[in-house]
Amino acid sequence: GENVEQHPSTLSVQEGDSAVIKCTYSDSASNYFPWYKQELGKRPQLIIDIRSNVGEKKDQRIAVTLNKTAKHFSLHITETQPEDSAVYFCAASWSGNEKLTFGTGTRLTIIP
Amino acid sequence: GEEVAQTPKHLVRGEGQKAKLYCAPIKGHSYVFWYQQVLKNEFKFLISFQNENVFDETGMPKERFSAKCLPNSPCSLEIQATKLEDSAVYFCASSQSPGYGYTFGSGTRLTVV
Repeated sequence: GENVEQHPSTLSVQEGDSAVIKCTYSDSASNYFPWYKQELGKRPQLIIDIRSNVGEKKDQRIAVTLNKTAKHFSLHITETQPEDSAVYFCAASWSGNEKLTFGTGTRLTIIP
Repeated sequence: GEEVAQTPKHLVRGEGQKAKLYCAPIKGHSYVFWYQQVLKNEFKFLISFQNENVFDETGMPKERFSAKCLPNSPCSLEIQATKLEDSAVYFCASSQSPGYGYTFGSGTRLTVV
């Protein structure tokens, strides 16, 4: 089955700086890669996703890049703000299965 | 509505008791997923449904866990004879069709004492 590894497990960034979180996946059939943000005690919320026919996607301060050959994808947050502090999860799935396999999460702390 | 509604928010059970959790997916969403999130944040897939049919149950500990999604009723996840290690937050999520992101419910925190 699919295995998703996520790094780093914790990340502290000065407010205004950029943050990058990286994930690798094992199953070359995976073609859908969402990122979720989970604040303490709350539900995970989808913040951005990318499909395997696209190499990069951007939404304001958030971007995701995908390298299918290397089987890795990354989340980039620019101009970080205190409200970006949360745990971020990457995930992967493939058409016909729909089950998301999640990474182990990155706790992002923005230092004011 | 536009929310996945999970009830109850909190559930406390003595070891060996039964626990039943409910999930109402967003109207029009065909897929329902159950995940268990333990203290280390890890999401463990349990089961998925396409409408009322089991789609993938590879994550279910079948001897004690069961789940259903019946027409015109909330989906349910039932744990018979709970164990201490079942303590976790159980999230339900729904999706309108393959390849779309999930919308998660707010979770049910199960504490087994």
